Amino acid sequence: GQNIDQPTEMTATEGAIVQINCTYQTSGFNGLFWYQQHAGEAPTFLSYNVLDGLEEKGRFSSFLSRSKGYSYLLLKELQMKDSASYLCAFMDSNYQLIWGAGTKLIIKP
Amino acid sequence: GAVVSQHPSWVICKSGTSVKIECRSLDFQATTMFWYRQFPKQSLMLMATSNEGSKATYEQGVEKDKFLINHASLTLSTLTVTSAHPEDSSFYICSARGLDSQETQYFGPGTRLLVL
Repeated sequence: GQNIDQPTEMTATEGAIVQINCTYQTSGFNGLFWYQQHAGEAPTFLSYNVLDGLEEKGRFSSFLSRSKGYSYLLLKELQMKDSASYLCAFMDSNYQLIWGAGTKLIIKP
Repeated sequence: GAVVSQHPSWVICKSGTSVKIECRSLDFQATTMFWYRQFPKQSLMLMATSNEGSKATYEQGVEKDKFLINHASLTLSTLTVTSAHPEDSSFYICSARGLDSQETQYFGPGTRLLVL
């Protein structure tokens, strides 16, 4: 079967670093995505990993381990505007996205 | 690049009427478009996948006669909610995947539907 899991909610402090984990199980895999979704808005694309390792993009980095079925999104130098839900999703063998329920990140001053 | 628009951004209608939502890829050709629905504080739910020029593939539990999808060109897909009822009130979001980006889906800004 297929499943994907991420924490429901996390809290972090402005200026700090936070890591949001995502684990998945699937027989067919074509990459893992991270999206950011602010309340009341549509998701925006953050990152795509298809090979193992760390991809860095400014304050955001995403990591993938295919053998472990594990990814994380790392946010550095947190800003209040980073308060949002972060959705992980993997692409299965049919190129369909299987979505996690999202992690609500709360940033405190 | 990779901009997707949706129209209207919000709509209020009476129960029993039909509502059409447009999804356009503005700067790329979208071979595949996806329609999602999201209820408050819940995750995205895929309703259907449409490929240009062919019939949409609906997810289990989604009524194809109620949610009509047309993907007539590489830049436009429409979702028509027929005979809308209050329980259809939701946030409808489209996404598009293009020729140059076979993996990444880019989302439109969403359409809020309120059925009275």
